[in-house]
Amino acid sequence: DGGITQSPKYLFRKEGQNVTLSCEQNLNHDAMYWYRQDPGQGLRLIYYSQIVNDFQKGDIAEGYSVSREKKESFPLTVTSAQKNPTAFYLCASSASRIEKLFFGSGTQLSVL
Amino acid sequence: DAKTTQPPSMDCAEGRAANLPCNHSTISGNEYVYWYRQIHSQGPQYIIHGLKNNETNEMASLIITEDRKSSTLILPHATLRDTAVYYCIVQTGANNLFFGTGTRLTVIP
Repeated sequence: DGGITQSPKYLFRKEGQNVTLSCEQNLNHDAMYWYRQDPGQGLRLIYYSQIVNDFQKGDIAEGYSVSREKKESFPLTVTSAQKNPTAFYLCASSASRIEKLFFGSGTQLSVL
Repeated sequence: DAKTTQPPSMDCAEGRAANLPCNHSTISGNEYVYWYRQIHSQGPQYIIHGLKNNETNEMASLIITEDRKSSTLILPHATLRDTAVYYCIVQTGANNLFFGTGTRLTVIP
């Protein structure tokens, strides 16, 4: 089945530690996105990529980094510079930037 | 992208139609109206989208007013599994889609 897979489902970060969230898609989509969701809130865009080896900052990119070395993969690193990383992180992809989004099931990141 | 306004919550009796409104008064001519829903602790799921004309698929119907400043998502026979947060967004080729806080629909047995 085609889809978008995020792992792990739950992740814990220690103070000063960098952690990487995985996002893989087998839909052959060009565009991929990372969103952050805080409790009771909507989704906020962290980073997006329209093509391999290219990505752009969203509204809240500070403290995060991404790479897009392969079409199917768009990992997100939450760095130690992100002082409030506890949130639900969602990865999405789309065939193009005007097409509907397909979302993964999310990763819940918490700070120890 | 244009912002949208939705009521924070709605209730609907099981088996009845759920009508979820959305205002997008600043929508431009080339912006589509998209609806997604999110069940607790899952990723949002695409429901339907439209530009000018009303649209229907196996999940829902979308009614867009003639001036395109508002729309209504209709779930014709709501079930308990339709309890979720529903997001109305407008989209044009831009990547920064404003999801807002959506409408929390509760289907009551």
